Amino acid sequence: SQKIEQNSEALNIQEGKTATLTCNYTNYSPAYLQWYRQDPGRGPVFLLLIRENEKEKRKERLKVTFDTTLKQSLFHITASQPADSATYLCAPRTRYNTDKLIFGTGTRLQVFP
Amino acid sequence: GAVVSQHPSWVICKSGTSVKIECRSLDFQATTMFWYRQFPKQSLMLMATSNEGSKATYEQGVEKDKFLINHASLTLSTLTVTSAHPEDSSFYICSAEGQGIGNQPQHFGDGTRLSIL
Repeated sequence: SQKIEQNSEALNIQEGKTATLTCNYTNYSPAYLQWYRQDPGRGPVFLLLIRENEKEKRKERLKVTFDTTLKQSLFHITASQPADSATYLCAPRTRYNTDKLIFGTGTRLQVFP
Repeated sequence: GAVVSQHPSWVICKSGTSVKIECRSLDFQATTMFWYRQFPKQSLMLMATSNEGSKATYEQGVEKDKFLINHASLTLSTLTVTSAHPEDSSFYICSAEGQGIGNQPQHFGDGTRLSIL
Protein backbone atom coordinates (compact mmCIF):
# COMPACT_ATOMS: atom_id res chain seq x y z
CA SER A 1 0.00 0.00 0.00
CA GLN A 2 1.03 3.60 -0.47
CA LYS A 3 3.07 4.97 2.34
CA ILE A 4 4.42 8.42 3.13
CA GLU A 5 7.00 8.81 5.88
CA GLN A 6 8.36 11.91 7.51
CA ASN A 7 10.70 12.29 10.48
CA SER A 8 8.40 11.32 13.31
CA GLU A 9 10.63 12.86 15.93
CA ALA A 10 10.49 16.59 16.48
CA LEU A 11 13.30 18.59 14.96
CA ASN A 12 14.86 21.13 17.29
CA ILE A 13 17.28 23.65 15.87
CA GLN A 14 18.82 26.95 16.79
CA GLU A 15 17.70 30.17 15.19
CA GLY A 16 19.72 31.03 12.11
CA LYS A 17 20.50 27.45 11.21
CA THR A 18 19.08 25.53 8.25
CA ALA A 19 16.31 23.08 9.00
CA THR A 20 16.02 20.04 6.72
CA LEU A 21 12.91 17.90 6.75
CA THR A 22 12.56 14.60 4.90
CA CYS A 23 9.65 13.00 3.09
CA ASN A 24 9.96 9.46 1.78
CA TYR A 25 7.26 7.62 -0.12
CA THR A 26 6.75 4.04 -1.24
CA ASN A 27 4.40 2.33 -3.69
CA TYR A 28 3.76 5.69 -5.23
CA SER A 29 4.59 7.45 -8.47
CA PRO A 30 3.73 11.07 -7.78
CA ALA A 31 3.65 13.59 -10.57
CA TYR A 32 4.16 16.33 -8.03
CA LEU A 33 4.58 16.86 -4.35
CA GLN A 34 3.25 19.58 -2.07
CA TRP A 35 4.50 20.88 1.24
CA TYR A 36 2.24 22.45 3.84
CA ARG A 37 2.69 24.11 7.19
CA GLN A 38 0.28 23.54 10.04
CA ASP A 39 0.12 25.53 13.26
CA PRO A 40 -1.67 24.10 16.33
CA GLY A 41 -5.44 24.33 16.01
CA ARG A 42 -5.29 25.61 12.45
CA GLY A 43 -5.70 24.16 8.99
CA PRO A 44 -2.62 23.47 6.83
CA VAL A 45 -1.28 26.28 4.71
CA PHE A 46 0.18 25.57 1.29
CA LEU A 47 3.86 26.43 0.92
CA LEU A 48 5.40 24.93 -2.19
CA LEU A 49 4.66 22.54 -5.01
CA ILE A 50 7.34 20.74 -6.98
CA ARG A 51 6.76 18.71 -10.14
CA GLU A 52 8.42 15.43 -11.04
CA ASN A 53 10.51 17.07 -13.74
CA GLU A 54 11.81 19.71 -11.36
CA LYS A 55 14.79 18.91 -9.20
CA GLU A 56 14.55 21.95 -7.00
CA LYS A 57 12.15 24.76 -6.20
CA ARG A 58 12.76 27.87 -4.13
CA LYS A 59 10.61 30.47 -2.47
CA GLU A 60 12.29 33.04 -0.28
CA ARG A 61 13.96 31.06 2.54
CA LEU A 62 12.35 27.80 1.51
CA LYS A 63 13.81 25.18 -0.81
CA VAL A 64 12.34 21.87 -1.88
CA THR A 65 14.04 19.07 -3.77
CA PHE A 66 12.39 16.08 -5.41
CA ASP A 67 14.27 12.90 -6.24
CA THR A 68 12.01 10.42 -7.98
CA THR A 69 14.77 7.79 -8.03
CA LEU A 70 15.22 7.90 -4.28
CA LYS A 71 11.47 8.50 -3.83
CA GLN A 72 12.28 11.37 -1.56
CA SER A 73 11.68 15.06 -1.11
CA LEU A 74 13.69 17.34 1.14
CA PHE A 75 12.36 20.59 2.54
CA HIS A 76 14.87 23.19 3.69
CA ILE A 77 14.32 26.38 5.67
CA THR A 78 17.40 28.56 5.67
CA ALA A 79 18.13 31.18 8.32
CA SER A 80 15.40 29.65 10.44
CA GLN A 81 13.42 31.82 12.86
CA PRO A 82 11.30 30.98 15.91
CA ALA A 83 8.27 31.92 13.79
CA ASP A 84 9.06 28.94 11.56
CA SER A 85 8.15 26.62 14.45
CA ALA A 86 5.23 24.50 13.23
CA THR A 87 4.42 21.07 11.85
CA TYR A 88 5.34 20.53 8.22
CA LEU A 89 3.44 18.07 6.08
CA CYS A 90 4.30 16.61 2.72
CA ALA A 91 1.73 15.31 0.26
CA PRO A 92 2.77 13.50 -2.90
CA ARG A 93 0.15 13.32 -5.60
CA THR A 94 -0.33 11.46 -8.84
CA ARG A 95 -1.02 13.15 -12.14
CA TYR A 96 -4.75 13.21 -11.96
CA ASN A 97 -6.42 16.08 -10.19
CA THR A 98 -9.23 13.87 -8.99
CA ASP A 99 -6.88 11.75 -6.94
CA LYS A 100 -7.14 12.22 -3.25
CA LEU A 101 -4.41 14.06 -1.40
CA ILE A 102 -2.85 12.02 1.38
CA PHE A 103 -0.50 13.53 3.88
CA GLY A 104 2.60 12.27 5.52
CA THR A 105 2.79 11.98 9.28
CA GLY A 106 4.28 15.46 9.56
CA THR A 107 7.42 16.71 11.27
CA ARG A 108 7.25 19.16 14.11
CA LEU A 109 9.93 21.82 13.86
CA GLN A 110 10.96 23.86 16.88
CA VAL A 111 13.34 26.76 16.36
CA PHE A 112 14.97 28.09 19.50
CA PRO A 113 16.26 31.65 19.84
CA GLY B 1 -5.05 34.09 -2.64
CA ALA B 2 -7.65 31.37 -2.46
CA VAL B 3 -9.67 31.40 0.73
CA VAL B 4 -11.65 28.60 2.31
CA SER B 5 -13.96 29.39 5.16
CA GLN B 6 -15.04 26.70 7.60
CA HIS B 7 -17.81 27.18 10.12
CA PRO B 8 -18.24 26.77 13.02
CA SER B 9 -14.73 26.80 14.42
CA TRP B 10 -15.76 25.15 17.66
CA VAL B 11 -18.73 23.07 18.69
CA ILE B 12 -19.58 21.57 22.06
CA CYS B 13 -22.75 19.51 22.24
CA LYS B 14 -24.44 16.63 23.96
CA SER B 15 -24.18 13.02 22.87
CA GLY B 16 -26.82 12.11 20.32
CA THR B 17 -26.89 15.52 18.67
CA SER B 18 -26.25 15.93 14.95
CA VAL B 19 -23.73 18.58 14.00
CA LYS B 20 -23.33 20.26 10.63
CA ILE B 21 -20.03 21.77 9.50
CA GLU B 22 -19.86 24.07 6.48
CA CYS B 23 -16.97 24.55 4.14
CA ARG B 24 -17.04 27.41 1.62
CA SER B 25 -14.63 28.48 -1.06
CA LEU B 26 -14.88 32.26 -0.99
CA ASP B 27 -13.11 33.41 -4.12
CA PHE B 28 -12.96 30.42 -6.40
CA GLN B 29 -15.12 27.55 -7.57
CA ALA B 30 -14.25 24.25 -5.96
CA THR B 31 -15.00 21.22 -8.06
CA THR B 32 -13.62 18.95 -5.37
CA MET B 33 -13.65 19.25 -1.61
CA PHE B 34 -12.01 16.94 0.87
CA TRP B 35 -12.89 16.26 4.48
CA TYR B 36 -10.24 15.28 6.99
CA ARG B 37 -10.16 14.31 10.61
CA GLN B 38 -7.21 14.93 12.87
CA PHE B 39 -6.53 13.58 16.34
CA PRO B 40 -4.04 15.30 18.65
CA LYS B 41 -0.44 15.03 17.47
CA GLN B 42 -1.43 13.00 14.43
CA SER B 43 -1.57 13.81 10.77
CA LEU B 44 -4.69 14.49 8.77
CA MET B 45 -6.72 11.41 7.93
CA LEU B 46 -8.81 11.69 4.79
CA MET B 47 -12.45 10.82 5.43
CA ALA B 48 -14.07 11.49 2.10
CA THR B 49 -13.82 13.27 -1.22
CA SER B 50 -16.79 15.17 -2.54
CA ASN B 51 -17.37 16.39 -6.06
CA GLU B 52 -20.02 18.95 -6.83
CA GLY B 53 -23.28 17.37 -7.82
CA SER B 54 -22.32 13.78 -7.10
CA LYS B 55 -22.10 11.43 -4.17
CA ALA B 56 -19.08 11.59 -1.94
CA THR B 57 -16.41 8.90 -2.03
CA TYR B 58 -15.64 7.66 1.45
CA GLU B 59 -12.39 6.18 2.66
CA GLN B 60 -12.34 2.68 4.02
CA GLY B 61 -13.58 2.53 7.55
CA VAL B 62 -15.55 5.78 7.40
CA GLU B 63 -19.27 5.27 7.88
CA LYS B 64 -21.18 7.11 5.20
CA ASP B 65 -24.39 7.05 7.23
CA LYS B 66 -22.59 8.56 10.17
CA PHE B 67 -20.77 11.30 8.26
CA LEU B 68 -23.12 12.76 5.69
CA ILE B 69 -21.51 14.90 3.04
CA ASN B 70 -23.31 17.20 0.67
CA HIS B 71 -21.62 19.22 -2.07
CA ALA B 72 -24.55 21.01 -3.59
CA SER B 73 -22.72 23.88 -5.22
CA LEU B 74 -19.26 24.80 -6.46
CA THR B 75 -18.64 26.88 -3.36
CA LEU B 76 -20.21 24.88 -0.53
CA SER B 77 -19.78 21.44 0.98
CA THR B 78 -21.22 20.31 4.29
CA LEU B 79 -20.33 17.50 6.66
CA THR B 80 -23.01 16.37 9.10
CA VAL B 81 -21.96 14.18 11.99
CA THR B 82 -25.17 12.35 12.83
CA SER B 83 -26.00 11.24 16.35
CA ALA B 84 -22.56 12.25 17.54
CA HIS B 85 -20.91 10.40 20.41
CA PRO B 86 -17.83 11.23 22.50
CA GLU B 87 -15.61 9.13 20.22
CA ASP B 88 -16.51 11.47 17.36
CA SER B 89 -14.79 14.32 19.18
CA SER B 90 -11.97 15.46 16.95
CA PHE B 91 -10.65 18.26 14.76
CA TYR B 92 -12.38 18.24 11.37
CA ILE B 93 -10.80 20.09 8.46
CA CYS B 94 -12.03 20.67 4.94
CA SER B 95 -10.08 21.59 1.87
CA ALA B 96 -11.08 22.77 -1.55
CA GLU B 97 -9.52 22.52 -4.93
CA GLY B 98 -10.24 24.73 -7.89
CA GLN B 99 -10.89 23.78 -11.46
CA GLY B 100 -7.93 23.28 -13.72
CA ILE B 101 -5.53 20.77 -15.08
CA GLY B 102 -3.51 19.00 -12.42
CA ASN B 103 -0.87 20.44 -10.14
CA GLN B 104 -3.35 22.36 -8.07
CA PRO B 105 -2.61 22.96 -4.39
CA GLN B 106 -5.41 22.48 -1.95
CA HIS B 107 -6.64 25.29 0.22
CA PHE B 108 -7.73 24.45 3.72
CA GLY B 109 -10.24 25.82 6.11
CA ASP B 110 -9.19 26.53 9.68
CA GLY B 111 -10.89 23.46 11.03
CA THR B 112 -13.75 22.73 13.39
CA ARG B 113 -13.06 21.42 16.85
CA LEU B 114 -15.90 19.13 17.82
CA SER B 115 -16.37 18.12 21.42
CA ILE B 116 -19.15 15.71 22.32
CA LEU B 117 -20.06 15.50 25.98
